[in-house]
Amino acid sequence: AQSVAQPEDQVNVAEGNPLTVKCTYSVSGNPYLFWYVQYPNRGLQFLLKYITGDNLVKGSYGFEAEFNKSQTSFHLKKPSALVSDSALYFCAVEPSGSARQLTFGSGTQLTVLP
Amino acid sequence: EAGVTQFPSHSVIEKGQTVTLRCDPISGHDNLYWYRRVMGKEIKFLLHFVKESKQDESGMPNNRFLAERTGGTYSTLKVQPAELEDSGVYFCASSQDTRVGPDGSEAFFGQGTRLTVV
Repeated sequence: AQSVAQPEDQVNVAEGNPLTVKCTYSVSGNPYLFWYVQYPNRGLQFLLKYITGDNLVKGSYGFEAEFNKSQTSFHLKKPSALVSDSALYFCAVEPSGSARQLTFGSGTQLTVLP
Repeated sequence: EAGVTQFPSHSVIEKGQTVTLRCDPISGHDNLYWYRRVMGKEIKFLLHFVKESKQDESGMPNNRFLAERTGGTYSTLKVQPAELEDSGVYFCASSQDTRVGPDGSEAFFGQGTRLTVV
């Protein structure tokens, strides 16, 4: 069975500083990896995905994530944080070749301080 | 294009009562999913419809939960009778493709229904 770990419940960063939200995964075979974000009183919004190819994936709102197969990680990054990036971030994995079933991490609350 | 829509946004019911949640997927999406986040923990898969058929219901917690998708359009998730541990946020999602793959599409989520059982 697949699993996702987001080791930090809360990440605080100052506006303008780089941010990283960590994610590690465990899955049989090649993983499909996703990041979703939930803003207050909103649904989950898709940010980016890794399916195959380049290990550095670029997504919405200036976010990017790096797939590292040897470390089984898929950390979310942004070079310069904005206060409006404050939200709840979820990492998810879907085993390749399987029927659709995302396995999510427990979420990381990102707070960007002005 | 309208996104995934869920009704109601919030529901507070007493233990033992019945609640029905509704999800309207993105038009043309054959795949519809239900997920649940309980008490700030992981978002967990409940089930997957392809059109009106249940493709995978391995995540349904017990037989108090009944999901339907008559006609392959909107879906309902009924909890009867509700228990305290059913409280949480119920998300619905839809996707165009059954499998991800390099050319496949991701799942789009609704805003969720926050269910509180007291």
